[in-house]
Amino acid sequence: QVHLVESGGGVVQTGGSLRLSCGASGFIFSSYAMHWVRQAPGKGPEWVAVISHDAKVKFYTDSVKGRFTISRENSENTVSLQMNSLRAEDSGLYYCARDPTQGMPDYFDYWGQGILVTVSS
Amino acid sequence: EIVLTQSPGTLSLSPGERASLSCRASQSVRSSYLAWYQQKPGQAPRLLIYGASTRATGIPERFSGSGSGRDFTLTISRLEPEDFAVYYCQQYGGSPLVTFGPGTKVDIK
Repeated sequence: QVHLVESGGGVVQTGGSLRLSCGASGFIFSSYAMHWVRQAPGKGPEWVAVISHDAKVKFYTDSVKGRFTISRENSENTVSLQMNSLRAEDSGLYYCARDPTQGMPDYFDYWGQGILVTVSS
Repeated sequence: EIVLTQSPGTLSLSPGERASLSCRASQSVRSSYLAWYQQKPGQAPRLLIYGASTRATGIPERFSGSGSGRDFTLTISRLEPEDFAVYYCQQYGGSPLVTFGPGTKVDIK
């Protein structure tokens, strides 16, 4: 069965950096686009970034462009999110999610359990 | 920019009743690229419906989606105890690429 496990979250000061990782199993990782989606407490989900199956195409939500970088290593079945210049509004639960296609953002058919990121001053 | 509005904010119903949840887009959603998710406390969202009306794998038949253009509906024909949760709609393929609605909470009356 599909399994996604996030790691790397924690508490960081405003302006700091954090790197999230997501390990995948149970499917052919290199055939699917992967996303990061975040959710602030009591709020709805917010899409953050997507990377195509072959890592050639990446898209970001406007608020993280130039600060966050999504990457993947298909040989290790992992997708990562490097987060720099963190702001308080970046705090929340970060989910790794699978896209049922190879490229353009679609819906999310499998989600990890989430990892908490807290940005404090 | 496509903004999704969900109504009502909270729906109070009893088990066995029918639930109708609305999702309205500020602009037409291309090719009915709309999905619905269920989220329970402490859990990740769970995909219910994609393409406005296609049930995801393993989703019970009591869940159905309908609509096109700007107006979409998620219907739960007869509420089971496990259906009380928050429901989100999501559009994909528009501008921005992905947006979620604010959610509708279905709670026990």
